[in-house]
Amino acid sequence: SQTIHQWPATLVQPVGSPLSLECTVEGTSNPNLYWYRQAAGRGLQLLFYSVGIGQISSEVPQNLSASRPQDRQFILSSKKLLLSDSGFYLCAWKAPGPTTQYFGPGTRLLVL
Amino acid sequence: DAKTTQPNSMESNEEEPVHLPCNHSTISGTDYIHWYRQLPSQGPEYVIHGLTSNVNNRMASLAIAEDRKSSTLILHRATLRDAAVYYCIRGIGGSQGNLIFGKGTKLSVKP
Repeated sequence: SQTIHQWPATLVQPVGSPLSLECTVEGTSNPNLYWYRQAAGRGLQLLFYSVGIGQISSEVPQNLSASRPQDRQFILSSKKLLLSDSGFYLCAWKAPGPTTQYFGPGTRLLVL
Repeated sequence: DAKTTQPNSMESNEEEPVHLPCNHSTISGTDYIHWYRQLPSQGPEYVIHGLTSNVNNRMASLAIAEDRKSSTLILHRATLRDAAVYYCIRGIGGSQGNLIFGKGTKLSVKP
């Protein structure tokens, strides 16, 4: 069966510091991968998606970036965090074709 | 607009059926309808999805209107563990299958 991992689970970072969140998927090949952010009390906002290694599409302009160095690894980064980057970051995967997405446990980021 | 319309909140009694409505009047022919639910501090959990026909699984049933402009998620017997925010989402057609989340319906279940 497929599983999706995210780490760290919780992170507290100062403003201006860098960020690296990692997401890995097991038990599937060539998945579509997604990064979402959820601000407190809000719905999910799609940040990035990837249909293959090295292929990244950005949905909203921001100071975040994403990379996919391996088939089942998706990384969310920032060079300098802003207070507004605080939130709950969720990674999701989807098999190719008309199927649905499955979400990871999330990383809660607090920027102080 | 790719978002759907759902009531902000609903209440149900334990052991009773729950019908969660969703309007998606601008849905296109290739967009699937997905339902997820989310507990506090957890990632969304997949519930069910469909295109045209009604769908059933172990968690719920999905009733899709004939014109596909609305759908209803049916929980046959609500339990306290079903209390969550339920999202009705249009899956935009295409290989990437992007999901556009709205604010969802917060379901409360009373014992």
